[in-house]
Amino acid sequence: GAGVSQSPSNKVTEKGKDVELRCDPISGHTALYWYRQSLGQGLEFLIYFQGNSAPDKSGLPSDRFSAERTGGSVSTLTIQRTQQEDSAVYLCASSLGTSGTDTQYFGPGTRLTVL
Amino acid sequence: GEDVEQSLFLSVREGDSSVINCTYTDSSSTYLYWYKQEPGAGLQLLTYIFSNMDMKQDQRLTVLLNKKDKHLSLRIADTQTGDSAIYFCAERTGNNRKLIWGLGTSLAVNP
Repeated sequence: GAGVSQSPSNKVTEKGKDVELRCDPISGHTALYWYRQSLGQGLEFLIYFQGNSAPDKSGLPSDRFSAERTGGSVSTLTIQRTQQEDSAVYLCASSLGTSGTDTQYFGPGTRLTVL
Repeated sequence: GEDVEQSLFLSVREGDSSVINCTYTDSSSTYLYWYKQEPGAGLQLLTYIFSNMDMKQDQRLTVLLNKKDKHLSLRIADTQTGDSAIYFCAERTGNNRKLIWGLGTSLAVNP
């Protein structure tokens, strides 16, 4: 497809369960970012991948959060033992590179609700 | 620390100009961005300005940057109902790849 896609669009889970969120970036984009948007909050950076470099995980809120990017393309964000405070919209973005002029293109997000 | 602040709401009449303001704290900001988020849609980059610029104009959009006061504004001329959305200000500092975001300004355009 032409844009960034994410799946699922909505996910409802029970507290304590693990969830996996998927991001398909734009083909050819070397950089991929995950953000979290909670109600009433701005976007919170979680992690970014750039090519074959080690990812910047500095925004991950706890060790229950992890992410992988396989083959430099698709990325999966995994949240283990979900908590109610994990409820948010998880946004993925990709860009051609990581220069300041490289536009980050955002996917539609996955809305996660933890009951 | 890094912080980006915006007013949360703005209401204008159709045809008027809208001015959305943003302040940031990090003096090492290199790029500042304005993104638009419409209901049910993803974030869309509207425009950006490099920190050594004072102004950037793109059709109906004018971005003004006052680096001394760490103040950024987005002016939308001839505001239309289709401009109703949440507008986010974001900054990138130094060699940091991640963006620091404001909470967003919800723009309501009244006919």
